[in-house]
Amino acid sequence: AQSVTQLGSHVSVSEGALVLLRCNYSSSVPPYLFWYVQYPNQGLQLLLKYTTGATLVKGINGFEAEFKKSETSFHLTKPSAHMSDAAEYFCAVYMDSNYQLIWGAGTKLIIKP
Amino acid sequence: DGGITQSPKYLFRKEGQNVTLSCEQNLNHDAMYWYRQDPGQGLRLIYYSQIVNDFQKGDIAEGYSVSREKKESFPLTVTSAQKNPTAFYLCASSLTGREQYFGPGTRLTVT
Repeated sequence: AQSVTQLGSHVSVSEGALVLLRCNYSSSVPPYLFWYVQYPNQGLQLLLKYTTGATLVKGINGFEAEFKKSETSFHLTKPSAHMSDAAEYFCAVYMDSNYQLIWGAGTKLIIKP
Repeated sequence: DGGITQSPKYLFRKEGQNVTLSCEQNLNHDAMYWYRQDPGQGLRLIYYSQIVNDFQKGDIAEGYSVSREKKESFPLTVTSAQKNPTAFYLCASSLTGREQYFGPGTRLTVT
């Protein structure tokens, strides 16, 4: 079965430090890849997406992600964390034509002052 | 403004009562989805609909029902058969079935 793995249910970084949230998927076929952010008691907001073309994708709020086919990874990064980045982040993959996304379990990002 | 609305934001019900959660979109999207979110469990798909008058069960459809009579609307009914209905419910829509856009969610508490 297809799956998405997000390493670490919680990631803690200091304000101003690099943010790295990991996402790996299982597929032999290049998928469509997404990162979403969820603030407490809110819906999910699309951060960025990879469909085809350039493997380094830039999103909102200074985030970017790189699609690495050989590693089946789509890790999310931000050079300098801000307190407002504290939220839960979800990686999702669309691999076939069943109109469904496969979701990772989510990673809660904690920013230390 | 185009978007997805869910109402109400908070909903309280007594055990044994059915309750209907509203989801409306004006994005002209064909596909709509209902997810359930519990603490630490990510998103679980309840039902989805690719087109009007058609819908499919997701991973956790038991105790829930939906209808899709209009393109814009996809209401979810949580029935008394749902054993643990207290959760955060999210509605989403999609043009292509890939990129999904979410509403603000409804937090349902059943006591």
